[in-house]
Amino acid sequence: GIQVEQSPPDLILQEGANSTLRCNFSDSVNNLQWFHQNPWGQLINLFYIPSGTKQNGRLSATTVATERYSLLYISSSQTTDSGVYFCAETSGSRLTFGEGTQLTVNP
Amino acid sequence: DAGVIQSPRHEVTEMGQEVTLRCKPISGHNSLFWYRQTMMRGLELLIYFNNNVPIDDSGMPEDRFSAKMPNASFSTLKIQPSEPRDSAVYFCASSYTGFNQPQHFGDGTRLSIL
Repeated sequence: GIQVEQSPPDLILQEGANSTLRCNFSDSVNNLQWFHQNPWGQLINLFYIPSGTKQNGRLSATTVATERYSLLYISSSQTTDSGVYFCAETSGSRLTFGEGTQLTVNP
Repeated sequence: DAGVIQSPRHEVTEMGQEVTLRCKPISGHNSLFWYRQTMMRGLELLIYFNNNVPIDDSGMPEDRFSAKMPNASFSTLKIQPSEPRDSAVYFCASSYTGFNQPQHFGDGTRLSIL
């Protein structure tokens, strides 16, 4: 089946720092999405990005489908960015999630 | 606009009881998904509906689990009888059509089976 690997598994930052999260996938991507699960458990869709680059405020994402990876950039991190970041990709009729990157932003 | 609405937010019940989780998708979305999240297995797709019809239920763990979507604005996930290993957070999500559209998640139901 499709493998989705995320790195790093854990990341601790000071407020204001920048970070890059990576998602590698094992097969051709039909649909790549990034989600943020906040400390209250809510899953928020950040980006739908099967290819190319998108930006939303301090967050941006780039997917290079031919090389089977996607990157999520967080600039000027804030404590509210803490939580788990998941990437997920579609193969067939299934959305497969990675194991996530646990991000902690300290004040 | 209202997002995906799930109820209840928390459910604690004893083993053997029937549990019903409810979901209202975003208006206009044709696809609805039920997921389960546990520490051990992460996020797993249980079942996927398109236009109220179940398309893929291969993720439903066993016959104790059933899901229905009687109309475009309501779905239920039922567990009967419940067991402690069913304890998890159950999410409902919806999208315009299928997997090749952004999925939007409800806040989840945290289920504890004692």
